[in-house]
Amino acid sequence: EDQVTQSPEALRLQEGESSSLNCSYTVSGLRGLFWYRQDPGKGPEFLFTLYSAGEEKEKERLKATLTKKESFLHITAPKPEDSATYLCAVGGGSNYKLTFGKGTLLTVNP
Amino acid sequence: SAVISQKPSRDICQRGTSLTIQCQVDSQVTMMFWYRQQPGQSLTLIATANQGSEATYESGFVIDKFPISRPNLTFSTLTVSNMSPEDSSIYLCSVEILAGGTDTQYFGPGTRLTVL
Repeated sequence: EDQVTQSPEALRLQEGESSSLNCSYTVSGLRGLFWYRQDPGKGPEFLFTLYSAGEEKEKERLKATLTKKESFLHITAPKPEDSATYLCAVGGGSNYKLTFGKGTLLTVNP
Repeated sequence: SAVISQKPSRDICQRGTSLTIQCQVDSQVTMMFWYRQQPGQSLTLIATANQGSEATYESGFVIDKFPISRPNLTFSTLTVSNMSPEDSSIYLCSVEILAGGTDTQYFGPGTRLTVL
């Protein structure tokens, strides 16, 4: 059974204070690892898909990396508008089911 | 990407009643899914909505409780039947988009259900 564990559960940063979120996973035949951002009262917003170990993707202040066991979402010089819950999910095998972690609630204070 | 809408956005229902949630996509898609997000929990897949055939349910979810329709490639409904307070949750539909050798699931805004 696929499993995803995210840490920390909550992270509070000062504006400009860089940090990383962790996503550890076990999956049978990784099809892709996905990062989403979720604001309160909204559906998850797609950020990145990573397919193989060593792959990196960037978008504005966010950078996602992938190893065989975990993924990191690095946040560089965050701003208050980066405050949200960040979700990690894995897809495995030949179906399109995604297994999600519980998320990391990021708060960036001005 | 895809633009996905859900109706209703929220509802408060009495136990024992049923609620049907609609999901509309702005383009034809093959794969549509229904997820549940309970307070403090991760998103959990309920079922895959198959066009022209019965939905495929995940372990722990049954058709009698969560009947799903998929009449065409842009629309699906999820019904939460005989509701109890434990069904209070956010229900989300998603679609799988394959483009340029990559696949991505996009989510609707969700339906927040409270059962009294």
